[in-house]
Amino acid sequence: DTGVSQDPRHKITKRGQNVTFRCDPISEHNRLYWYRQTLGQGPEFLTYFQNEAQLEKSRLLSDRFSAERPKGSFSTLEIQRTEQGDSAMYLCASSPTAWDNEQFFGPGTRLTVL
Amino acid sequence: GIQVEQSPPDLILQEGANSTLRCNFSDSVNNLQWFHQNPWGQLINLFYIPSGTKQNGRLSATTVATERYSLLYISSSQTTDSGVYFCAVGGSYIPTFGRGTSLIVHP
Repeated sequence: DTGVSQDPRHKITKRGQNVTFRCDPISEHNRLYWYRQTLGQGPEFLTYFQNEAQLEKSRLLSDRFSAERPKGSFSTLEIQRTEQGDSAMYLCASSPTAWDNEQFFGPGTRLTVL
Repeated sequence: GIQVEQSPPDLILQEGANSTLRCNFSDSVNNLQWFHQNPWGQLINLFYIPSGTKQNGRLSATTVATERYSLLYISSSQTTDSGVYFCAVGGSYIPTFGRGTSLIVHP
């Protein structure tokens, strides 16, 4: 059973560019979460999917951010018109079921916006 | 939303020492996890413990949900225990993380 994977692991981009990150959850986990973590802080919730349905979005998720999970398997997180304040570690997690919500995290994508 | 406070914020130990990390939360919860974040940023699951006590080797955890706190015990610490320890709690499916306890274990 492979763990949660994320791609790329690192991304350096210039301000104003668009970036897209991918997350592959543990197979058969129907819940998928995106978080953002900045230095010295704990992860902050961004959005959550149950299968292909996006059920919750944080106020942190501005209009420049969009997430999809089209077939209920992998998910993508896109940031449009990146800003320097978007520099952070973006973490993905998955959990099995409604009654077992233990989350398993991927290695993260570290974004640097120049 | 739920407020989560972790203490102490920083901890420095000599190898072999024991320690207790605390997580206080402001409301009743259905989910509580402890994680260890390694220097590369990977969050490693330690315990899923919304209530009760669990042990795994040198680590153990206790959650007293009625009093809204959880404790993580590390015994006979090793240099590989260094990193940041987070608790994450939630009343629904969306957990809130504390700011973590940064642990440094010196040889």
